[in-house]
Amino acid sequence: GNSVTQMEGPVTLSEEAFLTINCTYTATGYPSLFWYVQYPGEGLQLLLKATKADDKGSNKGFEATYRKETTSFHLEKGSVQVSDSAVYFCEGTGNQFYFGTGTSLTVIP
Amino acid sequence: ETGVTQSPTHLIKTRGQQVTLRCSSQSGHNTVSWYQQALGQGPQFIFQYYREEENGRGNFPPRFSGLQFPNYSSELNVNALELDDSALYLCASSLTVQRGIYGYTFGSGTRLTVV
Repeated sequence: GNSVTQMEGPVTLSEEAFLTINCTYTATGYPSLFWYVQYPGEGLQLLLKATKADDKGSNKGFEATYRKETTSFHLEKGSVQVSDSAVYFCEGTGNQFYFGTGTSLTVIP
Repeated sequence: ETGVTQSPTHLIKTRGQQVTLRCSSQSGHNTVSWYQQALGQGPQFIFQYYREEENGRGNFPPRFSGLQFPNYSSELNVNALELDDSALYLCASSLTVQRGIYGYTFGSGTRLTVV
């Protein structure tokens, strides 16, 4: 069946470090792919998206490129901040709706 | 434009009881999805409603049921509560034809504890 596999956490980085959170998908067809962020005690917020192969989603310094050849949608940021500490979820939307298990990120000053 | 609002924010129920959770979708959105998020896990899809009918269901038993009203608001009902039903329940709305483009808008969730 369709699924999304995320890099396991937790991830701890120093401020201004480079971030990569891996996400790969298994699906029939080509789903739209999303990254959501969840801050403590809050619901999920859409961070960025890509709807077709080679699309790059970007927002707040985060980027992810939809790579059909590797079925991946890795999340990257060049310089993380303390305020980026949160849980990040990769999601695929096609005929079904499936989230990854989430990756917790803690950025320390 | 208002976002997605859920009520109540927190709830404690006893095993075997029934519970109803409520969700008001974002203005202009006609599709509502419900998710269960256990502690430390990703959201698990329960079901989706579109035009007041169930339009997709995840791997949840029939004691999880729902409704969507003409104003697109929605309810999640859970009967015969079990301890494992303790979780954060998230409601998400979207405009169906654009869901694959714009994703969902999530509410802050209802934290259900079953004792």
